[in-house]
Amino acid sequence: AQSVTQPDIHITVSEGASLELRCNYSYGATPYLFWYVQSPGQGLQLLLKYFSGDTLVQGIKGFEAEFKRSQSSFNLRKPSVHWSDAAEYFCAVGAWDSNYQLIWGAGTKLIIKP
Amino acid sequence: GAGVSQTPSNKVTEKGKYVELRCDPISGHTALYWYRQSLGQGPEFLIYFQGTGAADDSGLPNDRFFAVRPEGSVSTLKIQRTERGDSAVYLCASSLTGTAQETQYFGPGTRLLVL
Repeated sequence: AQSVTQPDIHITVSEGASLELRCNYSYGATPYLFWYVQSPGQGLQLLLKYFSGDTLVQGIKGFEAEFKRSQSSFNLRKPSVHWSDAAEYFCAVGAWDSNYQLIWGAGTKLIIKP
Repeated sequence: GAGVSQTPSNKVTEKGKYVELRCDPISGHTALYWYRQSLGQGPEFLIYFQGTGAADDSGLPNDRFFAVRPEGSVSTLKIQRTERGDSAVYLCASSLTGTAQETQYFGPGTRLLVL
């Protein structure tokens, strides 16, 4: 069965600093990979997704993520964070043999220091 | 509609009571999902609808939980004899046809508190 691990419960970075949020998955084949962001009082919003092709994926709000098959990872990055990026970030996996379910990580809470 | 909407946004109830949570998906989306999110956790799959039918209800925790989507649009999640452990945010999402690579669009959730 597929699973998703986000090893960092929370991360604190200074405004303007770079960011990397980690996501590791377990699945036998190439999964479909997603990053969502959840701001207080807001619904989950898709940042980016990967299905195939170029392993570096660009998303909204200046985020990108890189799929590394050898490491079973799909880490989210941003070169310079803004205070408005403070939120909770979730990595999720969809599998070709489960054409509807997303399996979610526990999330990483991003805290921005002024 | 412009996005997925859920009502109520908050629901406080007493242990043992019955509650209904409503989800209005994006117009034209045939796939609808219910998830439950407990504090400090990611969403947990409950049930998936394709049109009017529940294609997979394997995530429903027990028979106190039931969901319907009678006309293939609005869905209602029903919880009988609520327990304190049911307290969570209940999320609804929809997607166009329900394939694994499609974006699921989420509503803001209903925060359920069982006293």
